[in-house]
Amino acid sequence: GENVEQHPSTLSVQEGDSAVIKCTYSDSASNYFPWYKQELGKRPQLIIDIRSNVGEKKDQRIAVTLNKTAKHFSLHITETQPEDSAVYFCAASARRGSTLGRLYFGRGTQLTVWP
Amino acid sequence: NAGVTQTPKFQVLKTGQSMTLQCAQDMNHNSMYWYRQDPGMGLRLIYYSASEGTTDKGEVPNGYNVSRLNKREFSLRLESAAPSQTSVYFCASREGISPNTGELFFGEGSRLTVL
Repeated sequence: GENVEQHPSTLSVQEGDSAVIKCTYSDSASNYFPWYKQELGKRPQLIIDIRSNVGEKKDQRIAVTLNKTAKHFSLHITETQPEDSAVYFCAASARRGSTLGRLYFGRGTQLTVWP
Repeated sequence: NAGVTQTPKFQVLKTGQSMTLQCAQDMNHNSMYWYRQDPGMGLRLIYYSASEGTTDKGEVPNGYNVSRLNKREFSLRLESAAPSQTSVYFCASREGISPNTGELFFGEGSRLTVL
């Protein structure tokens, strides 16, 4: 099945700085790449997603870029704020046969934004 | 509109005991999922149900069984609990079976400890 690797596992930034989290995937046929944010003790929630026919997508301070050739995608957060502190998960869709419909998640990045 | 509701929120079991985690969604979603979350391991898929009447194994199905009782409900059963099944369990649902039909909506999680 799909293998999603995520780096770094922890990331600390000063408030106002940018944060970048990177993921790679193994299945070249994957075509959907969401990012989830999980605050401490809460459920994961979708913050942004991108499909393989798009190279970049922005939503206010958050952006995601996709490089299909290299099979990697990244989450960019600008002007970070303390409320951005959370665990972020990348994921990739599976498109082959019996695994159609699954999402494979990376192991997560703990982002801490210091005031 | 409650979204995805799972019970119980907390449970302590002894090795060898059995239990069922219940999940219900009120969004008329077709697909439902059970994930487990362990520190540093991200979200791993246990079982999923792409539509009412179907269930499929995910990445880590051993030791678990599921039942898609109807379109709303998807339960996870541990027949003989083991300490390795100590984890936080999340139920999730999505509108369609395709990876491109939008976000996963997660329940609040169930923290299970097996002694």
